[in-house]
Amino acid sequence: DQQVKQNSPSLSVQEGRISILNCDYTNSMFDYFLWYKKYPAEGPTFLISISSIKDKNEDGRFTVFLNKSAKHLSLHIVPSQPGDSAVYFCAARGGATNKLIFGTGTLLAVQP
Amino acid sequence: DTEVTQTPKHLVMGMTNKKSLKCEQHMGHRAMYWYKQKAKKPPELMFVYSYEKLSINESVPSRFSPECPNSSLLNLHLHALQPEDSALYLCASSHYRGPRNTEAFFGQGTRLTVV
Repeated sequence: DQQVKQNSPSLSVQEGRISILNCDYTNSMFDYFLWYKKYPAEGPTFLISISSIKDKNEDGRFTVFLNKSAKHLSLHIVPSQPGDSAVYFCAARGGATNKLIFGTGTLLAVQP
Repeated sequence: DTEVTQTPKHLVMGMTNKKSLKCEQHMGHRAMYWYKQKAKKPPELMFVYSYEKLSINESVPSRFSPECPNSSLLNLHLHALQPEDSALYLCASSHYRGPRNTEAFFGQGTRLTVV
């Protein structure tokens, strides 16, 4: 049972344009959400996070939006750069545990 | 220092071998994790240690044996593995969940091949 889903396995965007990566979750106990960027054969690198008490968090070119009623979050990257090309995972944590559950990932390709 | 260090980077082992993966962090984090990642799949949680005690075991086979000798170190002992256990093994650490939400930092992983 996949509690965190990223329905787009891949996304291609032109350099300079906006990249929007989406993530849906099913567990209403999740109250903290994170986005990670990952290159092959490397560990995930933390990008940005958001607590469920907020609906937006911004850090430079990265903005995460949270819609709790829809159980949906998105990551906006603007402007997109070729170096942003990687697999992006959303992850969620909630309840009393330290479990961090990852989504299925979206491969972003930014074309020069 | 936001670094989680994993050794070795690559490991090839036979099905009868015993080996260990090592992970170290010096960020004062009291939660440490082992994840397994197969190609084109998300990282999958295996174990969580909280304050050096095993708090979550995601029904991992006993051929994987975790150990947390102290607050900075996490080991994963491997014995009698199968070829399907070949994967990227990731270690992570974070502050223990409490009033503060915090991200988990990951190591670069150990690429394990079982032959």
